[in-house]
Amino acid sequence: SQQGEEDPQALSIQEGENATMNCSYKTSINNLQWYRQNSGRGLVHLILIRSNEREKHSGRLRVTLDTSKKSSSLLITASRAADTASYFCATVRPSDSWGKLQFGAGTQVVVTP
Amino acid sequence: DAMVIQNPRYQVTQFGKPVTLSCSQTLNHNVMYWYQQKSSQAPKLLFHYYDKDFNNEADTPDNFQSRRPNTSFCFLDIRSPGLGDAAMYLCATSPQGGTGFEKLFFGSGTQLSVL
Repeated sequence: SQQGEEDPQALSIQEGENATMNCSYKTSINNLQWYRQNSGRGLVHLILIRSNEREKHSGRLRVTLDTSKKSSSLLITASRAADTASYFCATVRPSDSWGKLQFGAGTQVVVTP
Repeated sequence: DAMVIQNPRYQVTQFGKPVTLSCSQTLNHNVMYWYQQKSSQAPKLLFHYYDKDFNNEADTPDNFQSRRPNTSFCFLDIRSPGLGDAAMYLCATSPQGGTGFEKLFFGSGTQLSVL
């Protein structure tokens, strides 16, 4: 079964606005990752946050992790039309440390000019 | 540039007709994965290779097989495709497993249609 559940399923915003999406998971993790998928393409790794970290930044991306609530959020600041994509969270459990990712169903983000 | 390449981008097959999807990588990664992704769903891991060691997920149907003849290439064989096998098939690699695992590198995927 899916480890991660994302919220919202879909998000529509205008350029310049911030986009926030959330991910909840069920079991303990080694790390949590966010990936981006443009329509009909493969996934691209965005950012990784380890279980002992609470916040991480990469360019316009900010990720938080709350292990007590088993949840994470991804914030995209000052969104651009090129940010239109689906965003997936994925977790790595301690028992799957060889590299098995458990993906959520994703949040579809549409940024209109 | 080093990358993961999947061929073809689009594949159409007939119900029950065997089909093979290809993946190659220039990253020299020792782990290769095959994921199935149906429309608006999460990618689902089918199996992975750690070097030559094949690891099947418990719920992967027997209809799906894989081959990895060398480090660079990996194939997904669907022996008798059904309508429910229509999906995007994603190949991915990672340099290692274990506690050093960082991320997956994905190809662009092959969109399979079954008529």
